[in-house]
Amino acid sequence: DQQVKQNSPSLSVQEGRISILNCDYTNSMFDYFLWYKKYPAEGPTFLISISSIKDKNEDGRFTVFLNKSAKHLSLHIVPSQPGDSAVYFCAASSTLIQGAQKLVFGQGTRLTINP
Amino acid sequence: DSGVTQTPKHLITATGQRVTLRCSPRSGDLSVYWYQQSLDQGLQFLIQYYNGEERAKGNILERFSAQQFPDLHSELNLSSLELGDSALYFCASSVGRNQPQHFGDGTRLSIL
Repeated sequence: DQQVKQNSPSLSVQEGRISILNCDYTNSMFDYFLWYKKYPAEGPTFLISISSIKDKNEDGRFTVFLNKSAKHLSLHIVPSQPGDSAVYFCAASSTLIQGAQKLVFGQGTRLTINP
Repeated sequence: DSGVTQTPKHLITATGQRVTLRCSPRSGDLSVYWYQQSLDQGLQFLIQYYNGEERAKGNILERFSAQQFPDLHSELNLSSLELGDSALYFCASSVGRNQPQHFGDGTRLSIL
């Protein structure tokens, strides 16, 4: 039962353009969502998060949008840079479970930025 | 640098053996989480500790156990190792609820 899904295994974008990565979830108990970037041989690096009380959060070139009714979130990167080439993971958790904040991850999307 | 330190980076051992993976969380973080990343399963939550106490369990095998010590570092013990236990094991830490988890660079475990 895959509760967090990233349906695009890969995405290729030209440098300077917008990259849009998508993520869907099925568990309505999820109320905190995060995006991580991962380079080979390194651990996931936190990028940006959003609580379910918001529908948008922005940090520099990164913006995350949350559509609770559709159970969908997306990460926008503008403008895309070669250093953004990595695997991006969407993750979700539920703060409704006292003390436990395990992350449920999607399978990842490999983003390639072409010069 | 996330501030989370995992040792060793690589571990090669044989079936039936036992290993211990170590994690030092970021300064000030009371929660430690362990995740397993295998080729076909993606990142899977194993177990969480908060200030020395077990707080949540995921799909962790009975052959695996963990603990968090008074200085907040954590160890993941894997015993009776099988070929299928070959994976990347990540540790993460966070300061509290609705705060991001920060990951170490993982321990790559190879079972021969």
